[in-house]
Amino acid sequence: EVQLVESGGGLVQPGGSLRLSCAASGFTFSIYWMHWVRQAPGKGLVWVSRINSDGSSTSYADSVKGRFTISRDNAKNTLYLQMNSLRAEDTAVYYCAREGASSTIHMDVWGQGTTVTVSS
Amino acid sequence: SYELTQPPSVSVSPGQTASITCSGDKLGDKYACWYQQNPGQSPVLVIYEDSKRPSGIPERFSGSNSGNTATLTISGTQAMDEADYYCQAWDSSTGVFGGGTKLTVL
Repeated sequence: EVQLVESGGGLVQPGGSLRLSCAASGFTFSIYWMHWVRQAPGKGLVWVSRINSDGSSTSYADSVKGRFTISRDNAKNTLYLQMNSLRAEDTAVYYCAREGASSTIHMDVWGQGTTVTVSS
Repeated sequence: SYELTQPPSVSVSPGQTASITCSGDKLGDKYACWYQQNPGQSPVLVIYEDSKRPSGIPERFSGSNSGNTATLTISGTQAMDEADYYCQAWDSSTGVFGGGTKLTVL
């Protein structure tokens, strides 16, 4: 079964850091581009970041650029999101998602999400 | 920055056709996709590359994209289709989601 399982969420103070993980199984993780998407409470989906299959290319939403870092360990089938200088507005459920194998950018497999709360 | 605009809500009677629009500048020049999200659940891809359905998605879901508007159409809408729907496109190496549309089946 194709599966993505996020972990690492929790309560953190403003200005703090957190690292999210996303464990992939059931597919060849190393050939897929991956994404992080977040959803604030009661709000819509917001794209956060993307990484290519070997980790050599990344992109970020302006709102997190310079604070968040996406990375991956293909040997461990795991995607990461290092989040620094966290703000209250970063409070959200964070989903990892697999990019589909076609030539267009869409997310065909999603994890269940992990909740990040930034509050003092 | 690029923006995608969706109506906040759409209502449809069971068995009728629901249409959800997504507007963006020259959106027809890009590929659009659509996600369904039920309360408390993760999003599910229902349409990609404007009009393609992933395996397991019912045939009643279809999509189109031309000009400035992409449209998700649900034919013969069922109660189980009541959910939030999000369009998404890619612009200048950045992913963009619409604000979402709550589909009510009543």
